[in-house]
Amino acid sequence: QTVVTQEPSLSVSPGATVTLTCALSSASVSSNNFPTWFRQQTPGQAPLTIMYNTGTPSSGVPDRFSGSIIGNKAALTITGAQVEDESDYYCLLYLGRGISVFGGGTKLTV
Amino acid sequence: VQLSESGGTLVQPGESLRVSCMASGFIFKDFALNWVRQAPGKGPEWLSSISGNGGNTYYADSVKGRFTISRDNSKNILYLQMSGLTAADTAIYYCAKGTRQTSPVLTNDPWGQGTLVTVSS
Repeated sequence: QTVVTQEPSLSVSPGATVTLTCALSSASVSSNNFPTWFRQQTPGQAPLTIMYNTGTPSSGVPDRFSGSIIGNKAALTITGAQVEDESDYYCLLYLGRGISVFGGGTKLTV
Repeated sequence: VQLSESGGTLVQPGESLRVSCMASGFIFKDFALNWVRQAPGKGPEWLSSISGNGGNTYYADSVKGRFTISRDNSKNILYLQMSGLTAADTAIYYCAKGTRQTSPVLTNDPWGQGTLVTVSS
């Protein structure tokens, strides 16, 4: 069974840069996994897509957010983190054959 | 794009339930669709996807054999039939749009508000 792993928690000072990662247990992450990043600030509200197709930001997402593949992982980088970026972040990877898997999420503290 | 889930309710363990997702704002039959759930205090979990014509369905191991995804392209409705429900199935259930007819890769379109399924005696 394929597992997608994220850092359970990260802490960053305001104005600093932080990178959240998303790894596959069975292989390297590539653009063919169409990495997607979600943000959920309020439990009970649907997660919102902030980055899709590896590095395409959703409309309205500040340009301090960027997505990429770093090494064998998908990555979400916040350059110049703001207090309002404090949230839970989830990645989603497409494994092919119709199957997708979410990571366990990263709780980001700013 | 608008997605609106419904049908969630309180059910007893072992019972069955069907939840629905009504879609608008896009050509329904031209897009694969997904079900995702989120249990209280947990992260989201991808459950299932279906191609635009309904001919291909896929499931997470956690629900394979118990849940059935289907769609009615004449009514623009997606369904998830759930059986053998347990407390572990308690969650908010969301539908999410795929990229095209044969690709269930989620788009960045917003999900619906979700529908709460509670399994408890």
